Amino acid sequence: KQEVTQIPAALSVPEGENLVLNCSFTDSAIYNLQWFRQDPGKGLTSLLLIQSSQREQTSGRLNASLDKSSGRSTLYIAASQPGDSATYLCAVWGNSKLTFGKGITLSVRP
Amino acid sequence: DGGITQSPKYLFRKEGQNVTLSCEQNLNHDAMYWYRQDPGQGLRLIYYSQIVNDFQKGDIAEGYSVSREKKESFPLTVTSAQKNPTAFYLCASSIPSRGELFFGEGSRLTVL
Repeated sequence: KQEVTQIPAALSVPEGENLVLNCSFTDSAIYNLQWFRQDPGKGLTSLLLIQSSQREQTSGRLNASLDKSSGRSTLYIAASQPGDSATYLCAVWGNSKLTFGKGITLSVRP
Repeated sequence: DGGITQSPKYLFRKEGQNVTLSCEQNLNHDAMYWYRQDPGQGLRLIYYSQIVNDFQKGDIAEGYSVSREKKESFPLTVTSAQKNPTAFYLCASSIPSRGELFFGEGSRLTVL
């Protein structure tokens, strides 16, 4: 059974910091991995999708990497801003099923 | 604009009542999903449908029912058999070959 872990559950950083959010999964036989952002009381917004054959994807200040062999993905946020404050979730497609992590709640202090 | 529309955004229900949450998408996606989100538990899959007139149970289908009569629509009924229905419900859709999931804004159900 696939398990997806995101640690820590919460993170607080000052504005301007570059930061890394981690996602680990137990079964490396995955189809793809997707990172989402969720604001309080809102739905999930897709940030980046990494197919299993890819190593990384970039969108603006965001960069996501995937290492299937070690069961890890990282979401790198450059020059963090207060508007980046949200919960970030990763989800892994594998064996015809999507498994979500519980998310990391990020707070960027002005 | 293409997207997924969920309604209502907020819904209050008395115990013993059935309620139906609407989910409509104009992304021309074949697959649609319903998730439930509770604090500290992450997202759990209720039902999913990969084609019209076909749907499958997810991990927590008991007390819920769905239909998929049109490609664009995937309504979820929360029945009185659901023991703890107060939660945030999220609808999603995807193109199966790509696997990228897109979500609606969610519906918050509160049982009084």
